[in-house]
Amino acid sequence: QQQVKQSPQSLIVQKGGISIINCAYENTAFDYFPWYQQFPGKGPALLIAIRPDVSEKKEGRFTISFNKSAKQFSLHIMDSQPGDSATYFCAASMHSGTYKYIFGTGTRLKVLA
Amino acid sequence: NAGVTQTPKFQVLKTGQSMTLQCAQDMNHNSMYWYRQDPGMGLRLIYYSASEGTTDKGEVPNGYNVSRLNKREFSLRLESAAPSQTSVYFCASTQGTGGDEQYFGPGTRLTVT
Repeated sequence: QQQVKQSPQSLIVQKGGISIINCAYENTAFDYFPWYQQFPGKGPALLIAIRPDVSEKKEGRFTISFNKSAKQFSLHIMDSQPGDSATYFCAASMHSGTYKYIFGTGTRLKVLA
Repeated sequence: NAGVTQTPKFQVLKTGQSMTLQCAQDMNHNSMYWYRQDPGMGLRLIYYSASEGTTDKGEVPNGYNVSRLNKREFSLRLESAAPSQTSVYFCASTQGTGGDEQYFGPGTRLTVT
């Protein structure tokens, strides 16, 4: 019940294309869903996050879509650029009652120039 | 404002040796975490500290001990290193409970031979 399943494991996209990464969770008590971006040799950094009271959140070229009934959320990167090449992790947590964050297994994105 | 700092950046140990990984944050955060990152397995929580003076086990605590030295510092100790502990270790901090942004350090790459 604590797992967050992430797919695909790796993704290759042409420059200018749309990158889509999906995550699914089981615990309906989760109410905070962040996405982290990690470049090689660096620590993860928060990219964008959503709470379940909205179905979509957009920040620049990055959008989270959230489907509460399906217990799924996804990251869309529009107009993908070579500089977006990184590993992306989804995660889930609860705003109260826990200090734990459950991470997906990561997606390695490569954007071809 | 350095954020989350970790030392050392790299370390090679022989099986059975001990070492302590150091972590410090300058953001006055209450909660601190230790994760390990292995290929294809995402970030797995080793231990966390919800506040100064408290520590709790995460998903993979065996073989590790932690100390929350003060509000700023949270150390991870390997008493008798094993090859299975070869990994990249990340320290993170948050202001409060789940639902807050986690800030990660740059990581420590540990190899146990």
